[in-house]
This record gives sequence, C-alpha cells and structure tokens, in this order.
Amino acid sequence: AQRVTQPEKLLSVFKGAPVELKCNYSYSGSPELFWYVQYSRQRLQLLLRHISRESIKGFTADLNKGETSFHLKKPFAQEEDSAMYYCAPRTNTGFQKLVFGTGTRLLVSP
Amino acid sequence: EPEVTQTPSHQVTQMGQEVILRCVPISNHLYFYWYRQILGQKVEFLVSFYNNEISEKSEIFDDQFSVERPDGSNFTLKIRSTKLEDSAMYFCASSEEVLYGYTFGSGTRLTVV
Repeated sequence: AQRVTQPEKLLSVFKGAPVELKCNYSYSGSPELFWYVQYSRQRLQLLLRHISRESIKGFTADLNKGETSFHLKKPFAQEEDSAMYYCAPRTNTGFQKLVFGTGTRLLVSP
Repeated sequence: EPEVTQTPSHQVTQMGQEVILRCVPISNHLYFYWYRQILGQKVEFLVSFYNNEISEKSEIFDDQFSVERPDGSNFTLKIRSTKLEDSAMYFCASSEEVLYGYTFGSGTRLTVV
C-alpha cells in the first residue's frame, strides 16, 4: 500500500543546531514529494518540492530513491522555524492527490 | 500574493444540523480540494474537484458530504446531519495544474456539539 511515514512526532533542538526531519515513503513508480509547513494557527504552506530542488528558508530535501526517503534538513535551526512539518507525496494513481504524513513538530529553543 | 479564503473561521453547530463551509480559491486555479484534520491527527484527503465534477473522493467522503462550485468563484463543502466525529479543521486548497503544489486556505474549525 502507498504510505508516507514521519517517524518523529516531536523534534526538539536548540537554536543553531542542525535539523533533520525524516520522511519515508512507499510508492511505486516515481512519486513527486513535497514538504509543507504549518506555523502556529496558520495555514499549510508549501515549503518545497523535490522537483524544483530549491532551498527555502535554508531548508533542503533530497529524494533518495534507494532509501525511499525525502528528509528535510537545515544546517542551523532558528526559533522561527518552530512549526509542524508535513511530508506529502503526490500519489501516482487516480487523480494524483497529495497525501500527508502525520507530521513532525519542530521546536527550536533559544 | 493570491490567497485561498475560507469562511467562517470557526463554526459551532448542533449534532444533526447541516453546515456549509465556504472557500474562494485563487481565481486562475482549476483544481480544488477539501482536506480535514481532526485535532491531534493527520491531514486527511476528502475530495478533489475539477471541471465542475468530483474527480476523486476518499472513504471519508460518504453521502453525508457534498461539494459544489455554485457560481464560478466559490467552492463549498456541505455536511448534512453533522455528527460529533465531524468536528475537525477543514482545509480548502486549490492548484493551477494538477502537478503543482497546492495553496491552502486558513481553514474552518468545525465544532459539533
């Protein structure tokens, strides 16, 4: 079955520390993957997509097809990075909708 | 930057009542979606809508639910005979192309009492 897994519910780091938010997927073919962020009481916002290979707010994510992972990384966490982060593959069947993981809450302490 | 607008931000309704959640997608977007998030749980897909018809729906989206694009700008989710377990945050989203990322609204918090 197609599935996305974010194993950590909560990741707590200090400001300036490196961050890695894990995402593993099990999809056939070549899925397209996204990371969304939800700051406190705000809407879900697109953070980045693997196809564009861009870096937003210092975050990057590399698709590793061998490990079926799409981990989100940032070398130096900032307090304003505290939020919920959702990994979201796009299904490659049917209407190709986004399917969200359970999310990881990142808490960056001063 | 264009936004997806959802109203109301919070709705409280009695069990068994009908509610309509409203969304105004971005004007040049063609694909529309509803998701929901029960408190403490993940964001779940409900339905996608394109070309004035449902293109896909989840198991959650049963006969109790319906969607409509009544006037070319609004996109509504109707829940008939609400149940306690319908209490959740409901997010509307739209995208310009099916392969693009989605733009989400700020959500409607539905509380069924």
